[in-house]
Amino acid sequence: DGGITQSPKYLFRKEGQNVTLSCEQNLNHDAMYWYRQDPGQGLRLIYYSQIVNDFQKGDIAEGYSVSREKKESFPLTVTSAQKNPTAFYLCASSISTGEVYEQYFGPGTRLTVT
Amino acid sequence: AQSVTQLGSHVSVSEGALVLLRCNYSSSVPPYLFWYVQYPNQGLQLLLKYTSAATLVKGINGFEAEFKKSETSFHLTKPSAHMSDAAEYFCAVSETGTASKLTFGTGTRLQVTL
Repeated sequence: DGGITQSPKYLFRKEGQNVTLSCEQNLNHDAMYWYRQDPGQGLRLIYYSQIVNDFQKGDIAEGYSVSREKKESFPLTVTSAQKNPTAFYLCASSISTGEVYEQYFGPGTRLTVT
Repeated sequence: AQSVTQLGSHVSVSEGALVLLRCNYSSSVPPYLFWYVQYPNQGLQLLLKYTSAATLVKGINGFEAEFKKSETSFHLTKPSAHMSDAAEYFCAVSETGTASKLTFGTGTRLQVTL
């Protein structure tokens, strides 16, 4: 079955540690995205990548880093510089359907930092 | 810059009643508009999308939305609510020419009561 997988579902870390969230897709999509979701704030874009070896900052990139070495994979690292890392993180991917880039989402990773 | 406003963070309806979730957008160019649904601790699922082909868009699970340019609105409706419709709903906008970037509203949580 084609889709997007994120692992793990729940992740716990101590403050000051870097942590990497996994996102893999087998949809053959060119573009991939990372969002952060907090209660009452909707989804906010962290980083996105339209092709391999290239990515752009979103609206809240500070304290995060990404890589795109393979088309299928787009891991997100939450660094110790991120002041409030506890949140629900969603990965998405998209392919152009004509001019429209509808996005497909993974199941998410809930990160708790204490 | 594009933006989305969802009026009402919480909406409660009785089972069998009309569902109306409001979305207003701001965009400097013709927009593409989307409605997504999110069940607890899951990713987002696309309900429907507006891509300028037709102003009344039908989606999955009996939902539909009407694009009204004069009101800059894209409200989501369903004639008869079902208990399984209880979830959080997000409206999103994408501008033509900025391929890939979605801006999300803050979401509306729909409660369905007996």
